[in-house]
Amino acid sequence: AQSVTQLGSHVSVSEGALVLLRCNYSSSVPPYLFWYVQYPNQGLQLLLKYTTGATLVKGINGFEAEFKKSETSFHLTKPSAHMSDAAEYFCAVSLYTSGTYKYIFGTGTRLKVLA
Amino acid sequence: NAGVTQTPKFQVLKTGQSMTLQCAQDMNHEYMSWYRQDPGMGLRLIHYSVGAGITDQGEVPNGYNVSRSTTEDFPLRLLSAAPSQTSVYFCASSWGAGGTYEQYFGPGTRLTVT
Repeated sequence: AQSVTQLGSHVSVSEGALVLLRCNYSSSVPPYLFWYVQYPNQGLQLLLKYTTGATLVKGINGFEAEFKKSETSFHLTKPSAHMSDAAEYFCAVSLYTSGTYKYIFGTGTRLKVLA
Repeated sequence: NAGVTQTPKFQVLKTGQSMTLQCAQDMNHEYMSWYRQDPGMGLRLIHYSVGAGITDQGEVPNGYNVSRSTTEDFPLRLLSAAPSQTSVYFCASSWGAGGTYEQYFGPGTRLTVT
């Protein structure tokens, strides 16, 4: 079955430390890949997406993600965490299956940034 | 450009009551969808629409109805509320049904059914 797995429902990092949020997908064909961020009491907003071309994708607020086909992964990173990065992050894939596109979200990773 | 708007922000219902969650977008997007968000379960698709007059079921459609009479509006109706429908509901829109198109989300409606 096609799915998206986010390892770690909660991740804590110190301010200034590297942020690494993991996302793996299961699909027989490479999907389109997205990362969304949800700040408290708000809707989701797009951080970045991979469609085709360069596998390292840069997004807003200093985040980037690398598509690795051999590992079926699309991990999100940021070199230096800021307090304002505290939020929930969702990985999502868009898959073409049975004649239509299907959008699948992961279960989310809540990032806590420690002062 | 207001983007995607949802009303109300909060709602408390008694079991058995019905209500409509409103969603509107001003970006002329063809594709609109409703999700529910529950702790540890991510977002689950309830219903979606690929254009005015066309709707279809998502992953968890039971207990909900939708209609799409205009491009802008996509209301979600709870027919007879149950405690299991306590959740945060998000409406989203995009240029197309998946593919490379990202989704634009509303601020959500937090629903409690007692």
